[in-house]
Amino acid sequence: AQRVTQPEKLLSVFKGAPVELKCNYSYSGSPELFWYVQYSRQRLQLLLRHISRESIKGFTADLNKGETSFHLKKPFAQEEDSAMYYCALVRGSTLGRLYFGRGTQLTVWP
Amino acid sequence: DAGVIQSPRHEVTEMGQEVTLRCKPISGHDYLFWYRQTMMRGLELLIYFNNNVPIDDSGMPEDRFSAKMPNASFSTLKIQPSEPRDSAVYFCASSYLAGGPTGELFFGEGSRLTVL
Repeated sequence: AQRVTQPEKLLSVFKGAPVELKCNYSYSGSPELFWYVQYSRQRLQLLLRHISRESIKGFTADLNKGETSFHLKKPFAQEEDSAMYYCALVRGSTLGRLYFGRGTQLTVWP
Repeated sequence: DAGVIQSPRHEVTEMGQEVTLRCKPISGHDYLFWYRQTMMRGLELLIYFNNNVPIDDSGMPEDRFSAKMPNASFSTLKIQPSEPRDSAVYFCASSYLAGGPTGELFFGEGSRLTVL
C-alpha cells in the first residue's frame, strides 16, 4: 500500500529564513511525487512535480528514493509563502489518482 | 474557462437532512474526483470517475454517501441522512490524462458543509 506522510502539521519561520517542508512516502514501485499548495481563500493548486525538476516561486523539491523523501525547500521564505502545503503521490498503475499527505500549514512571520 | 465549479459554496443543515453537492468539471476533462478535507484527516479521496464511470469508491465513508455522474459536465455528491461528523469542506477536482499520469488536478473552490 502507498502512504504519504507529512510529519509537521504546523511550521513557522521568519521572513528570509530557510524553510523545509518534509514529506516521506512509502510505495514499492516508482512513484511520481507532487507538491500542491492552498493559499488563503484560493483553490488548491499544483506547485511543482518531481519529474519536471523545476523551481517554482523559489521552491524546489528533490526526490530521494533511498530515503523515500520529497522534501520541499526554499532558501529565503517570504510572507506570501504562508499557505497549506500538501505532498501527493501517483502510483504508475493508477492514472490520475493522487494520494495526499495530511498537509503542513506554513506561516512566515514578518 | 471558469475552472471547476462547485455549488453551494456553503451549506448549513440539521442532522438528518439530505445534502446534495454539485460539481461541473472543466470541459474536456475525463477524470472527476471528490475529496473531503478536515483538520484531523487532511484530504481524503472519496470517489473518482473516468468517463462518467465510477472507478474507485472505496473512500466513501458509508452507505449514507453516494455520488453520480450522469454526464461529462455534471456530478453530484449526496449525503442522506447527514450527521455532524460529516461537517467538512468537500472538493471536486477534474483532470485530463492523455495516455499517462500527469498528477495535475484542477480543484474547485470547495463546498463547506456544516451539519448541526
